[in-house]
Amino acid sequence: ETGVTQTPRHLVMGMTNKKSLKCEQHLGHNAMYWYKQSAKKPLELMFVYSLEERVENNSVPSRFSPECPNSSHLFLHLHTLQPEDSALYLCASSQDTIRSNYGYTFGSGTRLTVV
Amino acid sequence: QQQVKQSPQSLIVQKGGISIINCAYENTAFDYFPWYQQFPGKGPALLIAIRPDVSEKKEGRFTISFNKSAKQFSLHIMDSQPGDSATYFCAATYLFSSGSARQLTFGSGTQLTVLP
Repeated sequence: ETGVTQTPRHLVMGMTNKKSLKCEQHLGHNAMYWYKQSAKKPLELMFVYSLEERVENNSVPSRFSPECPNSSHLFLHLHTLQPEDSALYLCASSQDTIRSNYGYTFGSGTRLTVV
Repeated sequence: QQQVKQSPQSLIVQKGGISIINCAYENTAFDYFPWYQQFPGKGPALLIAIRPDVSEKKEGRFTISFNKSAKQFSLHIMDSQPGDSATYFCAATYLFSSGSARQLTFGSGTQLTVLP
């Protein structure tokens, strides 16, 4: 384990379902991220949460809704998804200051299939 | 617009050979250039990283070469082993103005296969 735990590992859902992905980090990091990894495409940043800000990629559809109740937990709420949303969803965390950089730590991802 | 271009898309190397993966970036705001290694069923894991004020960094069999003027950097894997077979991603990153989080932009990945 990397210190970033994602659940579930696999998820199959219909287009009318509502589900949530969960991420938890045990590293004391102060920022958390959601990435989407599709075949043949670069990893795509979806959302960022840190102590000071929330950043989102404007190209992410509103059927994806993030929630970050505290610095250790991050959720991605899913509703009325499309088949093209099938992908590996990766959570990451980092501890960054202007004076230091510790890189990202990724979880193992949730493999989502929309049927 | 893809800000980090990576090549080749796939690479096959004999055991003991040298694997070379190249990347180019456009945004001069990037201040940190990590490489990630990803095995099937796992998330990417940080392999090695370099800052733009350094031209080369070596960690074991892995070396990053960095050319700031050309905005290019590359990963060299010496004495490649079958266990190195994985997907490798270059990335480039900068701190948000708040200093509390990073924008990380990935290349498209290189599938490396090391033949025994």
